[in-house]
Amino acid sequence: DSGVTQTPKHLITATGQRVTLRCSPRSGDLSVYWYQQSLDQGLQFLIQYYNGEERAKGNILERFSAQQFPDLHSELNLSSLELGDSALYFCASSPRGDRVNEQFFGPGTRLTVL
Amino acid sequence: AQKVTQAQTEISVVEKEDVTLDCVYETRDTTYYLFWYKQPPSGELVFLIRRNSFDEQNEISGRYSWNFQKSTSSFNFTITASQVVDSAVYFCALSENPLVNNDMRFGAGTRLTVKP
Repeated sequence: DSGVTQTPKHLITATGQRVTLRCSPRSGDLSVYWYQQSLDQGLQFLIQYYNGEERAKGNILERFSAQQFPDLHSELNLSSLELGDSALYFCASSPRGDRVNEQFFGPGTRLTVL
Repeated sequence: AQKVTQAQTEISVVEKEDVTLDCVYETRDTTYYLFWYKQPPSGELVFLIRRNSFDEQNEISGRYSWNFQKSTSSFNFTITASQVVDSAVYFCALSENPLVNNDMRFGAGTRLTVKP
């Protein structure tokens, strides 16, 4: 158990819908990262937040957005869903100090878009 | 730009065999970090090791060992006396200078199957 929690574990929805994925980082970690794992694209970095501020952006679609709240939990919002958005979405958090590059991953949310 | 290549898509071995998973990386930074993660059939990503670019010492942890060679930009992972529980997808990843860019670039993964 990495200490990172993600809810829900599974999500099934229809095209055109909007969903919210939630992540709670490990206690004390200020950074949260979101990744998408799909069969054709592999594991891709989407976005990073640090203490409530966006820090880095990867291959995140405009239909997707994220935020990190004062209690440090984060949410990833996916809208106008398409079949191709079906994937496993991971959240990770990293500690401060010299272990800042070490990312601990949550169990993931499996999104199925029908 | 950073890039990680895991040329072996799938490897199948029989229990107790040794197996090496290859990882080759590209980066222009002099400061970077390399990682290995394990993804068992249950789907979670399990952290195995982190190595920074200034530490070329090889590491051994039980049946696992890692060989980092900057000269060939490789960070290979060896499992000795493999077991069925080692069956998983293994990912190598690269992260560059955290002051500039802290996202992690993953390789495509190597699916290891260990048969009894």
